[in-house]
Amino acid sequence: ETGVTQTPRHLVMGMTNKKSLKCEQHLGHNAMYWYKQSAKKPLELMFVYSLEERVENNSVPSRFSPECPNSSHLFLHLHTLQPEDSALYLCASSQETGSGAQYFGPGTRLLVL
Amino acid sequence: LAKTTQPISMDSYEGQEVNITCSHNNIATNDYITWYQQFPSQGPRFIIQGYKTKVTNEVASLFIPADRKSSTLSLPRVSLSDTAVYYCLVRPRAGGYQKVTFGTGTKLQVIP
Repeated sequence: ETGVTQTPRHLVMGMTNKKSLKCEQHLGHNAMYWYKQSAKKPLELMFVYSLEERVENNSVPSRFSPECPNSSHLFLHLHTLQPEDSALYLCASSQETGSGAQYFGPGTRLLVL
Repeated sequence: LAKTTQPISMDSYEGQEVNITCSHNNIATNDYITWYQQFPSQGPRFIIQGYKTKVTNEVASLFIPADRKSSTLSLPRVSLSDTAVYYCLVRPRAGGYQKVTFGTGTKLQVIP
């Protein structure tokens, strides 16, 4: 248990669906992240939030829309996804400065049909 | 940003000490070296971090030579449960987290 929770753990959706992934951290951290991990590929950083402001968007398609309503919660809204978007989506948090440790949640395994 | 190079995979027998070396030739003065462990279908887990010389915690040791162009993660007496992918990362001391990349890591297979 890392102090970062993600729901749902598994999700199957069609290409026309709209769904949201939720992440919550109980560590008092100020930075939160979304990563994508596809099969046989390294983790890809998608979004970074610091104190609820987005500080990084690594050229992620607009069909992925993040939301950070407060420093403890992070959402990833999904719409009109493609089958190649099927992957493990990981949320992480860290202290904003001076810390090398990111604490990851268990991930959401997403399958797009 | 410093690029890291690690072996793609390693095998070890149970009870042995495992050393995984990571090269980071263009590490900057303010960069720290961090290692993570990842089991299948789980998020990476922070193992250890260091800046220079040697760091030890209850899980592993990290050896960093004076030139800091490489680092070695040492896992004492591995067990089957240590089978995982191990990532070496280089990141600035403060901030810069958005530029950190995990790479492909080293897949460690512990054999009975």
